[in-house]
Amino acid sequence: NAGVTQTPKFQVLKTGQSMTLQCAQDMNHEYMSWYRQDPGMGLRLIHYSVGAGITDQGEVPNGYNVSRSTTEDFPLRLLSAAPSQTSVYFCASSRSGQDGYTFGSGTRLTVV
Amino acid sequence: AQSVTQPDIHITVSEGASLELRCNYSYGATPYLFWYVQSPGQGLQLLLKYFSGDTLVQGIKGFEAEFKRSQSSFNLRKPSVHWSDAAEYFCAVGGYLIYGQNFVFGPGTRLSVLP
Repeated sequence: NAGVTQTPKFQVLKTGQSMTLQCAQDMNHEYMSWYRQDPGMGLRLIHYSVGAGITDQGEVPNGYNVSRSTTEDFPLRLLSAAPSQTSVYFCASSRSGQDGYTFGSGTRLTVV
Repeated sequence: AQSVTQPDIHITVSEGASLELRCNYSYGATPYLFWYVQSPGQGLQLLLKYFSGDTLVQGIKGFEAEFKRSQSSFNLRKPSVHWSDAAEYFCAVGGYLIYGQNFVFGPGTRLSVLP
């Protein structure tokens, strides 16, 4: 049982480069979210989705895009990487709000 | 808007001692409340959750938490800490955005365990 799978686990980008962080879940969860984790700031919501074709912005959406073409996949795109986007990114999914989230193991991104 | 505070950034306890991690929340309706644990280099694992019913909830790894509406608190407890409990602990409150559910996380409390 894979749960939530994130790739890559580590990535170094140069300022201005773009990339996509992949997230896939095999639990048929409708809710999926992307968070970033920075020291002393907890987790902050970037974008979220409540089902295929439906996405919305969270607390810190600038510089990121998402799409949800299938229930399973929820990729996060960095359009033009900036050093401020150096962080650990977590994807999470949930069957419902009462269940809490299942988290992936994270992607550690460094922008130089 | 909902918010979560965890007053203690770092707590150190001796192995075998009891533990209480504090969490206070702000939310306009009946909240969904969660505690997560994060071991170094790992994702977050759900310890326990509360959304209705008995205000004392039991979770995995011997943890429990008590919901106190009058104090807007949801403190996490464990009667006897093990060295493997050293990790970071996050309290979270669930709310609703325009379309659905969102979770707001506290800043976390790092737990160190002395042998």
